[in-house]
Amino acid sequence: DTEVTQTPKHLVMGMTNKKSLKCEQHMGHRAMYWYKQKAKKPPELMFVYSYEKLSINESVPSRFSPECPNSSLLNLHLHALQPEDSALYLCASSHGTIAKNIQYFGAGTRLSVL
Amino acid sequence: GQNIDQPTEMTATEGAIVQINCTYQTSGFNGLFWYQQHAGEAPTFLSYNVLDGLEEKGRFSSFLSRSKGYSYLLLKELQMKDSASYLCAVRLTSGTYKYIFGTGTRLKVLA
Repeated sequence: DTEVTQTPKHLVMGMTNKKSLKCEQHMGHRAMYWYKQKAKKPPELMFVYSYEKLSINESVPSRFSPECPNSSLLNLHLHALQPEDSALYLCASSHGTIAKNIQYFGAGTRLSVL
Repeated sequence: GQNIDQPTEMTATEGAIVQINCTYQTSGFNGLFWYQQHAGEAPTFLSYNVLDGLEEKGRFSSFLSRSKGYSYLLLKELQMKDSASYLCAVRLTSGTYKYIFGTGTRLKVLA
């Protein structure tokens, strides 16, 4: 099983709303990632958790707040977003310790900010 | 800065062979990955190179030259379902989880 599950698949929110994106994997992976992808552009790394600790934050605005409650779950809390934050948000996981460390991606949450 | 370039679009015919190039200039290098992404879907892993040379996997092969900062993905016996975006990604250093994706190549396979 190489499945990474993201919910919801689609989300529409206003600029004053608070919402959360969820990501789950049961492959025993110890590294989990959030990426943002705009249309016809490559994914851009936002955050990386390694063994449930935040190891990379790519200078992401504080209106995005990641959380890793346990080794299987990764959340992205959203607050006071801007219309330009509308994008596909992809979660990925990888083993974390083996050399190849392939990333497995979820299907993403398509976010629209009105 | 980090720079990973790919052609924006390519078109090929069903049954043909196509080569998608990726050139990179990055602050570190610890492996190059190729992913396929259909529109609106997640990227899926295709191939991985960390040493120079060719890796073959069925209809897909990937080549790496570290001295030239160059890789290519070769797709043989093209099928309509191969119409997708192809992304190369560089892992910057060992022991970290920082991956930089290239600009992506949209491949259209025609009947």
